[in-house]
Amino acid sequence: KQEVTQIPAALSVPEGENLVLNCSFTDSAIYNLQWFRQDPGKGLTSLLLIQSSQREQTSGRLNASLDKSSGRSTLYIAASQPGDSATYLCAVNYGGSQGNLIFGKGTKLSVKP
Amino acid sequence: DTAVSQTPKYLVTQMGNDKSIKCEQNLGHDTMYWYKQDSKKFLKIMFSYNNKELIINETVPNRFSPKSPDKAHLNLHINSLELGDSAVYFCASSQNFGRGYGYTFGSGTRLTVV
Repeated sequence: KQEVTQIPAALSVPEGENLVLNCSFTDSAIYNLQWFRQDPGKGLTSLLLIQSSQREQTSGRLNASLDKSSGRSTLYIAASQPGDSATYLCAVNYGGSQGNLIFGKGTKLSVKP
Repeated sequence: DTAVSQTPKYLVTQMGNDKSIKCEQNLGHDTMYWYKQDSKKFLKIMFSYNNKELIINETVPNRFSPKSPDKAHLNLHINSLELGDSAVYFCASSQNFGRGYGYTFGSGTRLTVV
């Protein structure tokens, strides 16, 4: 069964800290992995997309890595800010009929001023 | 210039009613999806659809039906609404099974059944 797990479920850090969010997935035969951000009551904003052939992607203070062989991805946030507070979702595209994103349950991040 | 737009944003309705949620994408993508986010915030696929094929998640009750007038639109019809249908419904789209640029999501429709 294809599953995506995110640890921790919640994380609270003081402003300015660097932090890492973890995502693990069963079955290494993936097309790509996508990290999203969801603010309370809002939609999903795509942060980074890593193709199966890539090891990492960077956007500003965000860096996502992918290790297919171990079934793991990490999202690194540098110099966290209160505005980073949100739920971060990891989603794996296993392909299959029409493509189908399998989501983890998310990590709720709170960055305190 | 919204990429994936859904209407309405909020929908409150009584049990037993029939309702529809509309979705439109202007990205030229070939596949559209409906996802359901439950009270625990977990997102699960309900349907995926392109102009050739409809894939239904077998756990979705047949009271839910997607309807696509053209490749830029995928509406969700729900018959005989139940309390348990209360959730946030997200529309999404992708090109080439999301291989190139991933998925783009709409802002969601919060459905409350009373």
